[in-house]
Amino acid sequence: ILNVEQSPQSLHVQEGDSTNFTCSFPSSNFYALHWYRWETAKSPEALFVMTLNGDEKKKGRISATLNTKEGYSYLYIKGSQPEDSATYLCAFFNAGGTSYGKLTFGQGTILTVHP
Amino acid sequence: NAGVTQTPKFRVLKTGQSMTLLCAQDMNHEYMYWYRQDPGMGLRLIHYSVGEGTTAKGEVPDGYNVSRLKKQNFLLGLESAAPSQTSVYFCASSYSSQPGQGAGQPQHFGDGTRLSIL
Repeated sequence: ILNVEQSPQSLHVQEGDSTNFTCSFPSSNFYALHWYRWETAKSPEALFVMTLNGDEKKKGRISATLNTKEGYSYLYIKGSQPEDSATYLCAFFNAGGTSYGKLTFGQGTILTVHP
Repeated sequence: NAGVTQTPKFRVLKTGQSMTLLCAQDMNHEYMYWYRQDPGMGLRLIHYSVGEGTTAKGEVPDGYNVSRLKKQNFLLGLESAAPSQTSVYFCASSYSSQPGQGAGQPQHFGDGTRLSIL
């Protein structure tokens, strides 16, 4: 079973703060790293899918970076707003071994943005 | 365009009863997945399917069966429900999961089925 770790588990910030969280994954057999945003009582929605080392992706105030050699990805939120409150999940797509073809999800970082 | 639709949304069962959860997608996706979500455990893959007529085990397959008779539908069955299967179940689909065939495609999730086993 692959180990995908997210930190911190939870985060409380004030409106307007910028924040970031980390996803760590195995550096071998890498194919893709997914980020999802999961609001309470809704279903996860894809933010980014990243496949190349050094990749940076941006969607509005949210951006992500990827380091496949050392096995980590950062998600950044600039100027957090209360509507950014959600659980942010990362998921690792493995290109080899018994986990081939499947996404392994981290446990998520729960972000709460206080007005 | 409905995306991924799960039925039912809620269900309460007694221990030992059986039931089937239905997932339907209208995006012509090849790959479909069933996950369960439990507090502190994240999303765990139960079974998945890489195409019509094929299924494979995920991380936590015991106590569940699946079928993919039609490309658009993926059924999850509980043969004899147990309290440990109380969970929120999510179905997802994607265009592909294979490297070189668009593994960079995101998964699209249904709204979930909340299942309680008494």
